[in-house]
Amino acid sequence: NAGVTQTPKFRVLKTGQSMTLLCAQDMNHEYMYWYRQDPGMGLRLIHYSVGEGTTAKGEVPDGYNVSRLKKQNFLLGLESAAPSQTSVYFCASHPSQGASEQYFGPGTRLTVT
Amino acid sequence: LAKTTQPISMDSYEGQEVNITCSHNNIATNDYITWYQQFPSQGPRFIIQGYKTKVTNEVASLFIPADRKSSTLSLPRVSLSDTAVYYCLVPVGNTGFQKLVFGTGTRLLVSP
Repeated sequence: NAGVTQTPKFRVLKTGQSMTLLCAQDMNHEYMYWYRQDPGMGLRLIHYSVGEGTTAKGEVPDGYNVSRLKKQNFLLGLESAAPSQTSVYFCASHPSQGASEQYFGPGTRLTVT
Repeated sequence: LAKTTQPISMDSYEGQEVNITCSHNNIATNDYITWYQQFPSQGPRFIIQGYKTKVTNEVASLFIPADRKSSTLSLPRVSLSDTAVYYCLVPVGNTGFQKLVFGTGTRLLVSP
């Protein structure tokens, strides 16, 4: 049981390049989330999904897109990276019933130059 | 905006008990209080959660007064490995979608 995994762990992009971050969970959770964390700050919600095939905007969605084609995967895309998107990105998942704990992945450190 | 307020930092020594208090004056009737711990370069990790009175697990205790406008995370006999950032959160939603609004947390430094 790997929990929540994220790919890649590190990435450096040039301004204007695109990339996709992959989040995978093997706990059969319905809800999945993407956060970003800037230095010395708390996490901010980018997008979330309440089930396969659904996505919704969080607090800071601009510049990002997401897809949840499979229940276990939640993809975060940057179509045209900007230096302001330099951050650590965390994925989390949560079961739909009962437990109220979010399980976080190890993070992806992205630098945009 | 975060719905909680907590100290920016705290210092302690190994073996001491650490109490971190969080205020959540606008907590709603159905809201519960959750604490997460975050080490550098890692994702947050759930510590404890409660709705009222006292909750205890293998790593911490959570004290919540009757008015629920504050809560106190208690870490007994801290060690160097407890140095981390601790977030107090009042998530909206219990069994369904949870909106977690993170503040800057409390940076705990444990010294020898």
